[in-house]
Amino acid sequence: SQQGEEDPQALSIQEGENATMNCSYKTSINNLQWYRQNSGRGLVHLILIRSNEREKHSGRLRVTLDTSKKSSSLLITASRAADTASYFCATGLNRDDKIIFGKGTRLHILP
Amino acid sequence: GAVVSQHPSRVICKSGTSVKIECRSLDFQATTMFWYRQFPKQSLMLMATSNEGSKATYEQGVEKDKFLINHASLTLSTLTVTSAHPEDSSFYICSARVQRPTEAFFGQGTRLTVV
Repeated sequence: SQQGEEDPQALSIQEGENATMNCSYKTSINNLQWYRQNSGRGLVHLILIRSNEREKHSGRLRVTLDTSKKSSSLLITASRAADTASYFCATGLNRDDKIIFGKGTRLHILP
Repeated sequence: GAVVSQHPSRVICKSGTSVKIECRSLDFQATTMFWYRQFPKQSLMLMATSNEGSKATYEQGVEKDKFLINHASLTLSTLTVTSAHPEDSSFYICSARVQRPTEAFFGQGTRLTVV
């Protein structure tokens, strides 16, 4: 079953603008990860944030985690055409080994 | 990052035949491997979790006799779709992890088309 819910489901922005995607989840987690998937391809791991962390940066990516609200956000700054992809959050659950994916956000960067 | 190789990347098979998909961790030993299924424009649905040397744990609604998973070594897991039907056509992705809470590394996926 799905654990996370991303919003928006689809997002179109101009190149150079910032893109923000949100993820909410339901159960207690050990960590939360964000992945990117280009159309019809495998997944690329972007960033992992542990449940005791609140914010993490990697290049143009900024991830926040609010365990009290069971939510996370992914910010991509200064977007580029190559950022066009689907973005998924995935939660590593406390109770078992599973990694469960949210529904994803389809991001389209307009030239 | 670590490399997970999935083979084949595309396969077309006739209805009623079986198809085997391999997932290998190339430069690390994976204690746990996951198999996912993805329909067009949808998310990844976890099918099963496998640990080396033990039986796979299947998610609710996934037929274990139809989707046979073998995790015979720390670097190889296989998914066999038995007696495939057109509704089994999908994108199948494996992932491998050393141990939580490290990230899982994903294969490039296998697009299965059953005709």
